[in-house]
Amino acid sequence: GESVGLHLPTLSVQEGDNSIINCAYSNSASDYFIWYKQESGKGPQFIIDIRSNMDKRQGQRVTVLLNKTVKHLSLQIAATQPGDSAVYFCAEEAGNQFYFGTGTSLTVIP
Amino acid sequence: DAGVIQSPRHEVTEMGQEVTLRCKPISGHDYLFWYRQTMMRGLELLIYFNNNVPIDDSGMPEDRFSAKMPNASFSTLKIQPSEPRDSAVYFCASREDSSNQPQHFGDGTRLSIL
Repeated sequence: GESVGLHLPTLSVQEGDNSIINCAYSNSASDYFIWYKQESGKGPQFIIDIRSNMDKRQGQRVTVLLNKTVKHLSLQIAATQPGDSAVYFCAEEAGNQFYFGTGTSLTVIP
Repeated sequence: DAGVIQSPRHEVTEMGQEVTLRCKPISGHDYLFWYRQTMMRGLELLIYFNNNVPIDDSGMPEDRFSAKMPNASFSTLKIQPSEPRDSAVYFCASREDSSNQPQHFGDGTRLSIL
């Protein structure tokens, strides 16, 4: 899984399978969490967010889970498609403090 | 809707030269952020503005870096003099002025200092 650190984990999944990307955050005061997707040559693109008063939120084919007890965030992508291949970042906010993880590279195998 | 617009998309220049990166945030967004992305350090927040006022510039690496936001629709990040280690992709992002809102990123400026 990913942490706000210096390495870039990689994940390879078969097209059609579900993907789970993990993120460990460090600031217990963070109250807002966001997942971004970054494709080559582009800026990070907002996927889904969750506030700290929730533990699960669903979007179209994506679900974010938040476990504040262990400071863990995950992004689940259902029925992964080749277009999902990208680097995924988690981000956290605590008031006016903003933190980004280093990202996880997802490769979808056709 | 137009997103965050950055220019130029690519910049190649020799060390010692002045570099100016430009950003137009999304209309109505009151927060503007400048980031630098490298393979070694990932995405680093350099500075951010709220209502054109710099709030936190603790991420600005050195005095060679400066950022301005003269009005709500324009910001610049300047490097003078530039050095090879400044080579990176620089992103601008903007956000609405309310809590718990995501940032919206431009497509970045890829800067190469020779």
